[in-house]
Amino acid sequence: GAGVSQSPSNKVTEKGKDVELRCDPISGHTALYWYRQSLGQGLEFLIYFQGNSAPDKSGLPSDRFSAERTGGSVSTLTIQRTQQEDSAVYLCASRTSGGGGTDTQYFGPGTRLTVL
Amino acid sequence: DQQVKQNSPSLSVQEGRISILNCDYTNSMFDYFLWYKKYPAEGPTFLISISSIKDKNEDGRFTVFLNKSAKHLSLHIVPSQPGDSAVYFCAAYEVNFGNEKLTFGTGTRLTIIP
Repeated sequence: GAGVSQSPSNKVTEKGKDVELRCDPISGHTALYWYRQSLGQGLEFLIYFQGNSAPDKSGLPSDRFSAERTGGSVSTLTIQRTQQEDSAVYLCASRTSGGGGTDTQYFGPGTRLTVL
Repeated sequence: DQQVKQNSPSLSVQEGRISILNCDYTNSMFDYFLWYKKYPAEGPTFLISISSIKDKNEDGRFTVFLNKSAKHLSLHIVPSQPGDSAVYFCAAYEVNFGNEKLTFGTGTRLTIIP
């Protein structure tokens, strides 16, 4: 079956522009996560969805970042007025259920965002 | 505040020898610990996990050891193979007020020398 997909794979934008990153989770996965990996850094948690609701937005770095998930499936991460420090690889992951650490997260290939 | 730390950014090991990747954590409430492997231009893939109530979990060439008193875990790969060359992330899982969260370390780049 299809894994987690993300689009675009690469995005180059100018400082100050808005960008939208898309994640298609594995069908039937109720939990969805966004992370980002800046150069030389680990995976930084951004936001977690359970179904369509986002009970944990604690990782969003500023109010320029927002995310939504509709129909319990596709999620969009939006960054407004991009800054150069937003340049990173943005990773999406999904998993089957809402309980138990043994339900592993399956990651997409990521979107590499470069802000000039 | 880095709750999960991988202090070695890189490690080189001869093919056939044992690779040992280390990870330290500060939060005693973590329930599970996981290791992920990441190749360039791909997302991380799950490798092995261990519950906080265990001290060892083995899966083929991969063994994870957990020392709760030291808040330390390690991943052993033996024998190491060229295909093991990748970045390895340690991650810790917790449920906080019903919210599930994985906290990742900064990763260790493992290079297996043929």
